[in-house]
Amino acid sequence: DSGVTQTPKHLITATGQRVTLRCSPRSGDLSVYWYQQSLDQGLQFLIQYYNGEERAKGNILERFSAQQFPDLHSELNLSSLELGDSALYFCASSVARRVGGSPLHFGNGTRLTVT
Amino acid sequence: KNEVEQSPQNLTAQEGEFITINCSYSVGISALHWLQQHPGGGIVSLFMLSSGKKKHGRLIATINIQEKHSSLHITASHPRDSAVYICAVLMVNRDDKIIFGKGTRLHILP
Repeated sequence: DSGVTQTPKHLITATGQRVTLRCSPRSGDLSVYWYQQSLDQGLQFLIQYYNGEERAKGNILERFSAQQFPDLHSELNLSSLELGDSALYFCASSVARRVGGSPLHFGNGTRLTVT
Repeated sequence: KNEVEQSPQNLTAQEGEFITINCSYSVGISALHWLQQHPGGGIVSLFMLSSGKKKHGRLIATINIQEKHSSLHITASHPRDSAVYICAVLMVNRDDKIIFGKGTRLHILP
């Protein structure tokens, strides 16, 4: 058990809708990362938060946004959903601010299916 | 050309065999991760290394910074090692950027 909790495990929704994915990091970890894994693209880094502040952005679409709350849990909001947004969304956490500063701990992912 | 290349893409072996998975990269890096993704989808970080060699149980990871190459070895492989193994590199001076390989799917037959 990594200590990282992601909810929900599965989500099925229609095109045009908006969903929120939630991540609770491992106790003591200040960094939260969001990744998208689609069949053809592999894992892609979306965004990182450290202690409530956005620290780094990857290939995140404008339709997507995220935030990290004072209790350090994070939410990833996906709006105007398209079929191509269907993927596994992973959250990971670590102690360090830098992504290479400490090991990453991954949640089990949220499988999003857009129909 | 992808910045991180893994080989082989797929590997099937018999239980007990020695397994090697390779990762080559074309960018300067500060560190490299090896990840294991189980059939159910969950991801586990196996190693983070920036030089030399690390060992954990039957798993060994090596990295050669000059040759821009890393290997993951599994000794005495077991069917429970069946998973996708993913190499990820952290670009030097860009510690916010991590690039993932497409993974190696390993299947160990009993």
